[in-house]
Amino acid sequence: SQKIEQNSEALNIQEGKTATLTCNYTNYSPAYLQWYRQDPGRGPVFLLLIRENEKEKRKERLKVTFDTTLKQSLFHITASQPADSATYLCAPYNQGGKLIFGQGTELSVKP
Amino acid sequence: DADVTQTPRNRITKTGKRIMLECSQTKGHDRMYWYRQDPGLGLRLIYYSFDVKDINKGEISDGYSVSRQAQAKFSLSLESAIPNQTALYFCATSATSGGGQETQYFGPGTRLLVL
Repeated sequence: SQKIEQNSEALNIQEGKTATLTCNYTNYSPAYLQWYRQDPGRGPVFLLLIRENEKEKRKERLKVTFDTTLKQSLFHITASQPADSATYLCAPYNQGGKLIFGQGTELSVKP
Repeated sequence: DADVTQTPRNRITKTGKRIMLECSQTKGHDRMYWYRQDPGLGLRLIYYSFDVKDINKGEISDGYSVSRQAQAKFSLSLESAIPNQTALYFCATSATSGGGQETQYFGPGTRLLVL
């Protein structure tokens, strides 16, 4: 069955450092992959979309890579800030017209 | 979040009761979704609808039903609530743009507790 794995343990980093979050998927080949941010008690908010023919996508301090051979996407936040603390969800596209969400990785940025 | 609203925001009910969660959107999107979120399990799709006449089961539809009353309204019902349906429920919408490029916009969530 289709499976998505994100770092289950929370990631704790120091302000100013680069945070790197991992998303691995198995048993399918999504044409697109999306990343969302979720704050406690709130709905997820879309951040970035990357297509299978794009190796890398950037938006301000965010960078996403998509390696279809490794079946992996990496999500980077450079010059991280305490305000970046949240849970980040990856969501590869399922050909049935749906997104499948990973369980998310909680990021904590300490001042 | 204001474009996608959910009511109620919090609900406590008893085992066996029928309850309805409602979702409305002003984004003009044709696609709507219901998810539940449990700690450690992420978001799981319950039902989704690509237009008013199209309703599809997600991965965990047992014990739930939905109604798409209009393009802007999508309701989720628990016919006979049970304690393991205690969770945070989210409604989401997206516009059809082809093959996975649809960004989903989420409501603020409904926190449901079944005693």
